[in-house]
Amino acid sequence: GENVEQHPSTLSVQEGDSAVIKCTYSDSASNYFPWYKQELGKRPQLIIDIRSNVGEKKDQRIAVTLNKTAKHFSLHITETQPEDSAVYFCAAVYSNYQLIWGAGTKLIIKP
Amino acid sequence: EAGVAQSPRYKIIEKRQSVAFWCNPISGHATLYWYQQILGQGPKLLIQFQNNGVVDDSQLPKDRFSAERLKGVDSTLKIQPAKLEDSAVYLCASSLERGGEQYFGPGTRLTVT
Repeated sequence: GENVEQHPSTLSVQEGDSAVIKCTYSDSASNYFPWYKQELGKRPQLIIDIRSNVGEKKDQRIAVTLNKTAKHFSLHITETQPEDSAVYFCAAVYSNYQLIWGAGTKLIIKP
Repeated sequence: EAGVAQSPRYKIIEKRQSVAFWCNPISGHATLYWYQQILGQGPKLLIQFQNNGVVDDSQLPKDRFSAERLKGVDSTLKIQPAKLEDSAVYLCASSLERGGEQYFGPGTRLTVT
């Protein structure tokens, strides 16, 4: 069935280090891959997204890479800061336009 | 532009009672979504509207949940009767078109006792 797998479920990194979260999807027709950040008690907010016609997209300290052949995409956060602590969700839009979410990664930034 | 509005923000009810949530999407957004987010989990899509028509309600527990978007703008989600396992945050989101970037409202935190 349609699913998005996300790893790891929890990631703890030292402040200033990089963090990488990986996701895989199953529908080869998927063409839109957003990443959402959700702080405790708040709504999910889009932080970056990528479409299938590009392989990488950057926005300051955040980047997303997409490998369509392998059907996986990753979120990279460099020079992590305390305010990066949150739960991050990857997602993929499937051919029926439904957004399928990963299970989330809790990112902990250690001071 | 104004964001997605939801009300109420919090609701506490007893099991077997009914409850309704309201959502006002961003102006001009044709697609509206209702999600259920249980603590510690990702959002689970309950129902998706395109204008005033349902395009996906495969995960909506139709024996107790119902939703409508009569004029293609505001939407209501109802639970009747509520169960303990319905305790969750109910998120409404909207997008300009199907498969597009989704903008979320603040959510309604429901506690069923």
